[in-house]
Amino acid sequence: DIQMTQSPSTLSASVGDRVTITCRASQSINNWLAWYQQKPGKAPKLLIYKASSLESGVPSRFSGSGSGPEFTLTISNLQPDDFATYYCQQYDSYSQTFGQGTKVEIQ
Amino acid sequence: EVQLVESGGGLVKPGGSLRLSCAASGFTFSTYTMNWVRQAPGKGLEWVSSISSSGSDIYYADSVKGRFTISRDNAKNSLYLQMNSLRAEDTAVYYCARGSTSYIPYYFDYWGQGTLVTVSS
Repeated sequence: DIQMTQSPSTLSASVGDRVTITCRASQSINNWLAWYQQKPGKAPKLLIYKASSLESGVPSRFSGSGSGPEFTLTISNLQPDDFATYYCQQYDSYSQTFGQGTKVEIQ
Repeated sequence: EVQLVESGGGLVKPGGSLRLSCAASGFTFSTYTMNWVRQAPGKGLEWVSSISSSGSDIYYADSVKGRFTISRDNAKNSLYLQMNSLRAEDTAVYYCARGSTSYIPYYFDYWGQGTLVTVSS
């Protein structure tokens, strides 16, 4: 299986900050990478697909970049609603795998 | 509006069985791959199983292969997960998620609210 290594596991930031989360794939995934946001007690929400495509309705302060094996999710001008846990996911094969998550907390 | 509503979770003893259901609405169910993803308490997300739009292609994570069975009824817009020989490590919130397309590669563009399965004596 393809392993996804996400870092950092926790990130402390303030409103207005620019934050970056990194995800590294153990092998080529042809940019088939998605990012999700999850808040406590809620289902994950799709933010980014195909490494850099913004899902409809997602604020433009979210952006994705990179190509195999390293990808990044950047949140510019962090808002109070953005404090959550973020997961990357590779979907290059039917056996999809997620990173272990990055919790963005208030500094 | 796309809606996915899971049901069927609960408390079950180790070795027991449970059947989860996911009722879909707001889209043409029969044209999308459907999936189950779980999340153990305080842990990350784990893909469990996928079924193609017609039901002809089915995939499982190694951790559930031989114990879980995914199925769908396109006439009823419903997805199912039959879980047998349950173990404590199967304790999790189980999410139903829609695949973005009917073929690989697909990401999960809509998720249900989840249903909690607790395996404990």
